[in-house]
Amino acid sequence: QKEVEQNSGPLSVPEGAIASLNCTYSDRGSQSFFWYRQYSGKSPELIMSIYSNGDKEDGRFTAQLNKASQYVSLLIRDSQPSDSATYLCAVNPGNQFYFGTGTSLTVIP
Amino acid sequence: KAGVTQTPRYLIKTRGQQVTLSCSPISGHRSVSWYQQTPGQGLQFLFEYFSETQRNKGNFPGRFSGRQFSNSRSEMNVSTLELGDSALYLCASNPGGRYEQYFGPGTRLTVT
Repeated sequence: QKEVEQNSGPLSVPEGAIASLNCTYSDRGSQSFFWYRQYSGKSPELIMSIYSNGDKEDGRFTAQLNKASQYVSLLIRDSQPSDSATYLCAVNPGNQFYFGTGTSLTVIP
Repeated sequence: KAGVTQTPRYLIKTRGQQVTLSCSPISGHRSVSWYQQTPGQGLQFLFEYFSETQRNKGNFPGRFSGRQFSNSRSEMNVSTLELGDSALYLCASNPGGRYEQYFGPGTRLTVT
């Protein structure tokens, strides 16, 4: 079983819509959760971190964490074409970062 | 603060050669991790160094090795290069523990 699982997509949403990206993890002891955005040919860029259950909002981005369900999600409101990228979910149980394979998002103008 | 830097940014090598990649972490960060990223395999963890000690290691052959210096700068070495080693090699730093990890721009290695 993989440590972190994401739907590979591709996920397509129209401009202005809400994009919802999901991630599940296997280690119940995981304490730290992160979302990275990676444009084609570039390195991953950290966009959100979340450490406790509930929602965390930063601009158009909201990260949601449910430790009981071992589930973390990222919502992107008012999606823009510039949000088109691969989004990587990462989990750290305390000793190492584990990454999902990423979800490809395309925002259609 | 300056971000994570990696050198060189691009590299072309021939099968059988060896290569050394360098990474300078964010000032104050003591943990440096290395990843290999290919289109088919995604982001694969190579190893992590913390205070000059290898703390974690991924599932890569012994041709892949690394080290960390007292100033937290890290190097990664790949010996006897194979065509399959062509990839984007990413370095990431974090203060240590479960906090945010930041990536450098990567080194794109092409093996011919």
